[in-house]
Amino acid sequence: AQSVTQLDSHVSVSEGTPVLLRCNYSSSYSPSLFWYVQHPNKGLQLLLKYTSAATLVKGINGFEAEFKKSETSFHLTKPSAHMSDAAEYFCVVSSPSGGSYIPTFGRGTSLIVHP
Amino acid sequence: DAGVTQSPTHLIKTRGQQVTLRCSPKSGHDTVSWYQQALGQGPQFIFQYYEEEERQRGNFPDRFSGHQFPNYSSELNVNALLLGDSALYLCASSLRTGVGTDTQYFGPGTRLTVL
Repeated sequence: AQSVTQLDSHVSVSEGTPVLLRCNYSSSYSPSLFWYVQHPNKGLQLLLKYTSAATLVKGINGFEAEFKKSETSFHLTKPSAHMSDAAEYFCVVSSPSGGSYIPTFGRGTSLIVHP
Repeated sequence: DAGVTQSPTHLIKTRGQQVTLRCSPKSGHDTVSWYQQALGQGPQFIFQYYEEEERQRGNFPDRFSGHQFPNYSSELNVNALLLGDSALYLCASSLRTGVGTDTQYFGPGTRLTVL
C-alpha cells in the first residue's frame, strides 16, 4: 500500500522569499516521487521527479526537492518565490503493486504569493 | 506540437444518464491514463490504457469504462451517473516504460456536472 500526505493545505509567502511545500509518503517499496503544479484552468505540469538516482532533484522554474528515505519525505523548495508561482501543487507517489504502478496524489497545497 | 487535448471542456448531465469523454494524447505517446479530480482534492487514478487494453485500474466501479483506439486516442465512459460523479476528469498521456517512472502529460480536463 502507498499513501502521500501534504502537510499544509495552504502556504502563503511574500514575493522574493523562500518556498517550502512539505510532502511525506508511505510505500512498501522503493517509490518514484513526483511534484506537479496546476494553474487555474490549465492542465497539471510536471515540476520534477525522483527515480532512485540523485536524492536532490532539480526541476523547472527553479524548484528542487530532496528525497529523504529516513524521514519518508520529499519536500519541494524554491529559493525565491515569484508571483507566477501562485498555483496548486501536488505530490505524487508511485510504487509497484501486483506488477502495476498506480500513482497516488496528495490532496494538494495551494501556494499564495503576496507582492 | 499539440499537447494532450480533451473534449468537451464542460458537460452537464442529469442523474442516470451516460457520458463519454474524449482524449487525444501528445504526439509520440502510446499510453493514456484517466483521473477524476473532485473539487478541493487531488486527482484519483481511474485506469490506464496501453495497446488498446486496460492495463491498470484504480478503485472505481464498473460504471466507469474506457477504450483506446489504434491511433492511441481514448474515451472514458461513465454509465448511470450519480451526483458524486461531478468532477474534473483529466486525461494524461505518456510513453510507456513499465517501471513506474513515466512522465505523464496532462490535458486541461473536462468539467462534468451531474444534476
